[in-house]
Amino acid sequence: GENVEQHPSTLSVQEGDSAVIKCTYSDSASNYFPWYKQELGKGPQLIIDIRSNVGEKKDQRIAVTLNKTAKHFSLHITETQPEDSAVYFCAAPYGGTYKYIFGTGTRLKVLA
Amino acid sequence: NAGVTQTPKFQVLKTGQSMTLQCAQDMNHNSMYWYRQDPGMGLRLIYYSASEGTTDKGEVPNGYNVSRLNKREFSLRLESAAPSQTSVYFCASSERTGGNQPQHFGDGTRLSIL
Repeated sequence: GENVEQHPSTLSVQEGDSAVIKCTYSDSASNYFPWYKQELGKGPQLIIDIRSNVGEKKDQRIAVTLNKTAKHFSLHITETQPEDSAVYFCAAPYGGTYKYIFGTGTRLKVLA
Repeated sequence: NAGVTQTPKFQVLKTGQSMTLQCAQDMNHNSMYWYRQDPGMGLRLIYYSASEGTTDKGEVPNGYNVSRLNKREFSLRLESAAPSQTSVYFCASSERTGGNQPQHFGDGTRLSIL
């Protein structure tokens, strides 16, 4: 079946360092890849997304890269700050539809 | 801007009881979704509604029913709650159907079934 694998499951970095989270998807028809940030007690919030016609997108300290040939996409956070501590989820459409399959999440801890 | 509002935020039920989780969005979105979130398993789709008047099963629909009451509201019903349905439930909406639409989430309902 369709699958999205996300790694690592936990990540600890020192404040100011960079963090990278990777996801691999299985459906070659997938063409939209959002990233969500979930803080404790809250719902997931969209932080950045990328469509299959571009290879990279940046928004201040956050960037996402996409490699369609290898079927993987990554979230890059530079100059990490304590408020970046949260759980991050990747997602990909299922079977070319608007139903998403989510990764299992990465718990990021930024150590002051 | 309320976005997606879910009620209640917390609920404890006994096995066999029934309950309806409410969701409303004020973004004039056409599509709405219900997910459950369990530790280590990410978010799994229970049911979705592509547009007002339509509903379809997702990945884990057993034990649940839904109603798209109008364009704004999408409710999830547990007819006979079971301990396996202990989870955090999230409602989401998107502007329209299509695999490139961002989904906007509520803050969830934390449901415990004893």
